[in-house]
Order: sequence, then C-alpha cells, then structure tokens
Amino acid sequence: EPEVTQTPSHQVTQMGQEVILRCVPISNHLYFYWYRQILGQKVEFLVSFYNNEISEKSEIFDDQFSVERPDGSNFTLKIRSTKLEDSAMYFCASSGDRARAEAFFGQGTRLTVV
Amino acid sequence: AQTVTQSQPEMSVQEAETVTLSCTYDTSENNYYLFWYKQPPSRQMILVIRQEAYKQQNATENRFSVNFQKAAKSFSLKISDSQLGDTAMYFCAFIIYQGGSEKLVFGKGTKLTVNP
Repeated sequence: EPEVTQTPSHQVTQMGQEVILRCVPISNHLYFYWYRQILGQKVEFLVSFYNNEISEKSEIFDDQFSVERPDGSNFTLKIRSTKLEDSAMYFCASSGDRARAEAFFGQGTRLTVV
Repeated sequence: AQTVTQSQPEMSVQEAETVTLSCTYDTSENNYYLFWYKQPPSRQMILVIRQEAYKQQNATENRFSVNFQKAAKSFSLKISDSQLGDTAMYFCAFIIYQGGSEKLVFGKGTKLTVNP
C-alpha cells in the first residue's frame, strides 16, 4: 500500500542551526502539507503546497520556514535558524483527490532543538 | 474562528465493550469534511473514518461509526467491540476549503485506553 515516507525519524539540532525535514509523498498525489505537534498538544497546520507553490500558510509559518519540491518526488520543510520552541513532531501529508479531502500522513519527524 | 473541541482528555474501556468519544466543532463554512484520526504510541496519524458534511447518513467503517449532528455541530466516534490495539490518542478534525486550498483543524485529542 502506498505511503508517505519521512526522514529522518528523529533529528537533534543546536539552536540557531538550519534543518531540513524530508518527505516523499504518495507518488500520484498533488496536494502536500506540513503539520506540527508540540509534545502533548494538538496537531497544527503549517503550510499547504500545490502546483509548485504555497497555497496557504498559518501564522506559525513565518520567514524562518520554507518548503519546496526540488525534484518532483521529495517535499521538504526547511527551518533556517531553529529555536527551542521549534521542538515538535513534524508531519508531512499528501492528498490525491481534493474531492475526497483525505490526507495521508507520514510517520513524522521528531525534531529536538537543544 | 474554526475550532474543534474534544471535552474528554482521557477515557478507558474494557476490551470488547463499546465506547463513544465526543467532538464538537465550530465553523461558519458549509463545505467541509470531518475526520477521526488515530495516533498510536508510534505517533503516526492514521485515518479512522471520514464524513462529508453534506451527507446526512452517518459514516461507518467496520467497528467504527460516527454520530454526525450537523445542526449541533457534533461529531462523535463510536468504537464497538473495543480491542487492545485501539489504545491510542484519537483526534477529531475537519477540513475546510478556503480559496482553493484546504487545511485540517484538529482538536486536542482524547487518550483512549482499552483494558484487558
């Protein structure tokens, strides 16, 4: 069964460093998303991406964040200068059929900023 | 504002029994879908069931069913014949369409424990 794959599963980084979280969405999907979940809290929308551009972003998704789909298969989230409060679980999701509005999530990347 | 409220932070149920998780939401939109996601200890988000807001018939997926009350903006999940593998966090969510894009809005979750 096709699935969304995220790497790495866990990343530890120093405050102020740049990190890139990687995702391989399901191959025929067209809509891509990043969500994050701070430990013990609810899942929050960060950004949606369609047709090689951002279609919507939340207040959380400030200038420190960026997304791209560099090669038609990977979908990346970059945090330029990490802060302690960026520590969270980051989920990538993809959707193939907007009419069904069904997003498939990856297993997540746990980001720890120290 | 679009919000989802799950009023039960934790619940427990005996194996083979039935449990209902509650969810209410608030939106002024008419075009939306509702979901329940399961998050086991592995932290992956797994879709359990979905409901189109324009459909009156309640969705059912095997042991999982919903009670969708659109006027009350209520969307509860019933798990029948609970199994140990159902132990997980359960998140209620809905998706709205804004200018061609969409985003999921999640509740804070209910931690369900199925006891043997």
